[in-house]
Amino acid sequence: AQSVTQPDIHITVSEGASLELRCNYSYGATPYLFWYVQSPGQGLQLLLKYFSGDTLVQGIKGFEAEFKRSQSSFNLRKPSVHWSDAAEYFCAVSDQSGNQFYFGTGTSLTVIP
Amino acid sequence: DVKVTQSSRYLVKRTGEKVFLECVQDMDHENMFWYRQDPGLGLRLIYFSYDVKMKEKGDIPEGYSVSREKKERFSLILESASTNQTSMYLCASNHAAGPNTGELFFGEGSRLTVL
Repeated sequence: AQSVTQPDIHITVSEGASLELRCNYSYGATPYLFWYVQSPGQGLQLLLKYFSGDTLVQGIKGFEAEFKRSQSSFNLRKPSVHWSDAAEYFCAVSDQSGNQFYFGTGTSLTVIP
Repeated sequence: DVKVTQSSRYLVKRTGEKVFLECVQDMDHENMFWYRQDPGLGLRLIYFSYDVKMKEKGDIPEGYSVSREKKERFSLILESASTNQTSMYLCASNHAAGPNTGELFFGEGSRLTVL
């Protein structure tokens, strides 16, 4: 069965520190992979996506993610976190038709000064 | 700027009332989705529509119905609201084909409280 696991429910980092949010997926076919960010009371905004090609993808706001097929992972990273990065982060996988999406349960990020 | 607009950001309804949540997208997307978001459960698909008047049940369709009479508009209907339908509802859309297939665009959400 298709699924997405975000093992960390909540993460706290200091401003300026590096960040890595974990995402593991279970998917039978070649997946499309996404990271979305949700600020409080808002909808989801796409940070980055992986469809094919270079396994290291760059996104908005200085985020990047690396697709590792052997580990079924798509971890999100940022070298230096800003206070404005505090939000909920969702990893998602879809089929290539764009019709079916599976979302993780999210990781809540707190940034302390 | 591309946009998915949900007509109501916050609603408070009473048990048994009929509730309409409206969603409009201006990107000529074929696909439209309604999700429900609850803490610790992530996003769960209620209904999906791939064309006008076409719909498919998602993971949690019970207690909900949908309507898509025009390509740009997708409505979620709660025929008789119950307290366990208190939640955040998110509308999303995307293209069914082409180079940008897959990427979902979300509205800002409608937070529904049923008393």
